[in-house]
Amino acid sequence: EAGVAQSPRYKIIEKRQSVAFWCNPISGHATLYWYQQILGQGPKLLIQFQNNGVVDDSQLPKDRFSAERLKGVDSTLKIQPAKLEDSAVYLCASSTSPQGFSKNIQYFGAGTRLSVL
Amino acid sequence: GQQVMQIPQYQHVQEGEDFTTYCNSSTTLSNIQWYKQRPGGHPVFLIQLVKSGEVKKQKRLTFQFGEAKKNSSLHITATQTTDVGTYFCAGGAGGTSYGKLTFGQGTILTVHP
Repeated sequence: EAGVAQSPRYKIIEKRQSVAFWCNPISGHATLYWYQQILGQGPKLLIQFQNNGVVDDSQLPKDRFSAERLKGVDSTLKIQPAKLEDSAVYLCASSTSPQGFSKNIQYFGAGTRLSVL
Repeated sequence: GQQVMQIPQYQHVQEGEDFTTYCNSSTTLSNIQWYKQRPGGHPVFLIQLVKSGEVKKQKRLTFQFGEAKKNSSLHITATQTTDVGTYFCAGGAGGTSYGKLTFGQGTILTVHP
């Protein structure tokens, strides 16, 4: 079974530039998550999709971050404009369904390491 | 909002020594999961605990879920160099949270051969 695919693996940009990350979840996984992991910290949920609808985006800085999951499969996360404090690893994860404890095991992609200079 | 705290932040052990990391939630959890992240890698699911007082074992790893479902621990017996990495607990709130997990800050384990 193929895992969660993310690209690019690394990105270096200057502050105020824009950047986009792409994620393709495990086939058949209805739920997709974007996390921000700052060095030395645990992953912080930015946004959660159930199919192509947003379930939780309470911690997404909506003035600069946006995400979409058209067609309920792959997803993109965009930052515009980027700030220095956005330097982090952006992780995408997927799970089969949020319904019930046994089905919210999350499978993570390798992540995109973003450096904002 | 829900907060999940982990201690210690760092643990350095000699190979063969035991290791324990503790996780505490500010609210009662529906379930708790543990993940391991190798240096430069991504979090990988280890186990999920659901029942109050539950104990699960995976070879040298023992996971416990507290009676009040607000705390958990991971104990590794006789550590090996392959155990190196960051161990995260992640609490699930259940209900209408739709599978949302809140991660602790992790415990970084270093094992000296």
